[in-house]
Amino acid sequence: GNSVTQMEGPVTLSEEAFLTINCTYTATGYPSLFWYVQYPGEGLQLLLKATKADDKGSNKGFEATYRKETTSFHLEKGSVQVSDSAVYFCALSGDNFNKFYFGSGTKLNVKP
Amino acid sequence: GAVVSQHPSRVICKSGTSVKIECRSLDFQATTMFWYRQFPKQSLMLMATSNEGSKATYEQGVEKDKFLINHASLTLSTLTVTSAHPEDSSFYICSASTATSYEQFFGPGTRLTVL
Repeated sequence: GNSVTQMEGPVTLSEEAFLTINCTYTATGYPSLFWYVQYPGEGLQLLLKATKADDKGSNKGFEATYRKETTSFHLEKGSVQVSDSAVYFCALSGDNFNKFYFGSGTKLNVKP
Repeated sequence: GAVVSQHPSRVICKSGTSVKIECRSLDFQATTMFWYRQFPKQSLMLMATSNEGSKATYEQGVEKDKFLINHASLTLSTLTVTSAHPEDSSFYICSASTATSYEQFFGPGTRLTVL
């Protein structure tokens, strides 16, 4: 079946530190992979996506590469800002695109 | 583009009453809409999937008679929480997708508090 596992938080970093949030998946077929961000009290916003192996999704300084050999889609950012503080969700959609599977979410706290 | 709205953003109701939450796709036609529930500090739990003009498909453990979902048009789906109880208090999020896209576009969520 399909599932997503991501590192537990919270992750606390100082401003300008390097960020990695690990995400691994189990899937049948060829899933698409996503990172969503949720700010307090709000819904989910798409941060980046990758639809096939070796694709790199990027947005607002965040990057993630779809690694089929390690079934991973780790989120990285070279220099975090206080405004990046939020909860980050890794997700996959299966072949039929009709169902998303979310990881448990990782809360990021960035301190000035 | 691809904006999804939800109304209301917050609702407080008394135990035993029913509450309706609307989900609208503002600038595209949503062939499929999804309803999620999110508990504090937890991930999203898919409640049901609805396709326009047909009955919703509920996930295991979700009471279809309690959470009524209607997807009457390509831009509107509603979730009605019937005879609400305090344990129904939660953050409800909808999303929408099109027939040709693998992506889901999420609404901003509705905070339901049942007293």
